Amino acid sequence: DVVMTQPPLSSPVTLGQPASISCRSSQSLVHNDGNTYLSWLQQRPGQPPRLLIYKISNRSSGVPDRFSGSGAGTDFTLKISRVEAEDVGVYYCMQATQFPLTFGGGTKVEIK
Amino acid sequence: QITLKESGPTLVKPTQTLTLTCTFSGFSLSTSGVGVVWIRQPPGKALEWLTLIYWDDDKKYSPSLKSRLSITKDTSKNQVVLTMTNMDPVDTATYYCARFITIFCLVDYWGQGTLVTVSS
Repeated sequence: DVVMTQPPLSSPVTLGQPASISCRSSQSLVHNDGNTYLSWLQQRPGQPPRLLIYKISNRSSGVPDRFSGSGAGTDFTLKISRVEAEDVGVYYCMQATQFPLTFGGGTKVEIK
Repeated sequence: QITLKESGPTLVKPTQTLTLTCTFSGFSLSTSGVGVVWIRQPPGKALEWLTLIYWDDDKKYSPSLKSRLSITKDTSKNQVVLTMTNMDPVDTATYYCARFITIFCLVDYWGQGTLVTVSS
């Protein structure tokens, strides 16, 4: 299985300041078809997860452009350019390059 | 508008079989490239993928749970059913169903989830 590793907590961030969340996979997420199936999901308190980013850097419909994804191979990053109060929650990376699908342990974003 | 909703028992006893139904609208599971996944989340813990059923009835299972899981679909009713046998307290979790799009290998629309507690 591909193990996805995330830090459990990000440094508390001031509203309007940037935040960055890292995710590392135990093996390359490049699929045989050349694509990298790495997604980012946001889970606000008491809510189901919500898809933010797919294939490393593609924003899902309705996701604000302050969210961006980057990375390649085994190292990936989700960036929030200017954190807003509604961004508080837990962020998960997920790989779908190979079965079983696996998730990172989640990174909690808090406001300072 | 795409929606999914999980239904089933909120409490099951150890060793019993859990059956959950995902009823969805706004898409069809007979459309090429579409699937439905089940994912669970123990209280305060991370997400865990369980199983996936594709439009063509192909199925994938978590290797660690494969012997206990079964997934089926009823395209005419827009439903997917998850069965998990031999339930244990460690299976206490919120169970989510969600839509899977194969061309992008993404999970885009999620149900609200249903909390299943395993206790005698």
